[in-house]
Amino acid sequence: DGGITQSPKYLFRKEGQNVTLSCEQNLNHDAMYWYRQDPGQGLRLIYYSQIVNDFQKGDIAEGYSVSREKKESFPLTVTSAQKNPTAFYLCASRVQETGNTIYFGEGSWLTVV
Amino acid sequence: AQSVTQLDSHVSVSEGTPVLLRCNYSSSYSPSLFWYVQHPNKGLQLLLKYTSAATLVKGINGFEAEFKKSETSFHLTKPSAHMSDAAEYFCVVITSSGSARQLTFGSGTQLTVLP
Repeated sequence: DGGITQSPKYLFRKEGQNVTLSCEQNLNHDAMYWYRQDPGQGLRLIYYSQIVNDFQKGDIAEGYSVSREKKESFPLTVTSAQKNPTAFYLCASRVQETGNTIYFGEGSWLTVV
Repeated sequence: AQSVTQLDSHVSVSEGTPVLLRCNYSSSYSPSLFWYVQHPNKGLQLLLKYTSAATLVKGINGFEAEFKKSETSFHLTKPSAHMSDAAEYFCVVITSSGSARQLTFGSGTQLTVLP
């Protein structure tokens, strides 16, 4: 079945560590996104990519990094520079044209211990 | 610039009664409008979308929404709430610029369904 797969579902990070969240899609979508969601709050855009080997900062990119070496993959690294990383992270993708649905993965919970 | 305003952060209804979740938008371009539902610790699932065809859009699980250009609204309704409808709902606007920056989420409405 086509879809977006995020892994791991739950991840614990120690202070000062970098961690990487995986996002893979087999929908052949050009655009991919990473959002952060804090409890009881809406979604905030971290990074997005409209095409392979290109990505742009969103509203809260500080402390995060991404890569887009393959169309189907858009991993997010939460670096030690991100001071408050505990949150629910959602990956999404869509075909770029207006009117096309954005599809979401099941999300990943990151907790700092 | 565009924006999305979900007018209620929390809505509480009794099972079997109607649901109304309100969404207003502003956009310089012809928008596409979406409603998504999120259950706890899950991703967002598409309920329905408007893309300049019929203004009354029917979605999954008995939900529907009406696009009213004059009121810049896209309110989500359901005639009879079910316990399984309890979740968070997001209104989303995408404009025709094609840029990812033109994808805007509302802040969400938490729906509680009382027995």
